Amino acid sequence: EPEVTQTPSHQVTQMGQEVILRCVPISNHLYFYWYRQILGQKVEFLVSFYNNEISEKSEIFDDQFSVERPDGSNFTLKIRSTKLEDSAMYFCASSEAGVSNQPQHFGDGTRLSIL
Amino acid sequence: DQQVKQNSPSLSVQEGRISILNCDYTNSMFDYFLWYKKYPAEGPTFLISISSIKDKNEDGRFTVFLNKSAKHLSLHIVPSQPGDSAVYFCAASEISAGKSTFGDGTTLTVKP
Repeated sequence: EPEVTQTPSHQVTQMGQEVILRCVPISNHLYFYWYRQILGQKVEFLVSFYNNEISEKSEIFDDQFSVERPDGSNFTLKIRSTKLEDSAMYFCASSEAGVSNQPQHFGDGTRLSIL
Repeated sequence: DQQVKQNSPSLSVQEGRISILNCDYTNSMFDYFLWYKKYPAEGPTFLISISSIKDKNEDGRFTVFLNKSAKHLSLHIVPSQPGDSAVYFCAASEISAGKSTFGDGTTLTVKP
């Protein structure tokens, strides 16, 4: 069964540094998402992406964050200048159609640790 | 404002018995509801969903019930198995929105 893959599984970065989290969504999916889960807390929506543009973003997704689909297969999340509170699990997801009638398929996440 | 709530952080049941996980929501615009299961060190895995035009959806041992008037849904697992032990997230989305809103999750432990 096709799956969403995320790399790396664990990323350790110094505060203030830029970090790029990578995702390969399922190939025929058109909608892409990033979520995060701070340790012990709920899964929080960050951003959704469709047709090469952001379709929705949360208040968490401020100017420090950006997303890109650089080559038709990868979907990346960039944090420009990391803060301690960015430490979390980051999950990428994709779906064939919009969330109103299709489940999202999640990757296993990237654990981001900011030192 | 927490739009999707799972008020029980944990639930423990005996193998073979029924597990009932509950979820409440506040946004009447939600029209699609899902349950995800999550094991440690893995991403959420889709389990079952229900559209707001239905009040019940069944898939094997898993049944989701939706009570729109009460803004409440529940997931029933019968019979429960030890392999069902995981964190269960309720999620909801509304027409034309580009996101799902998740609850806090309920940790289910099924004892052999």
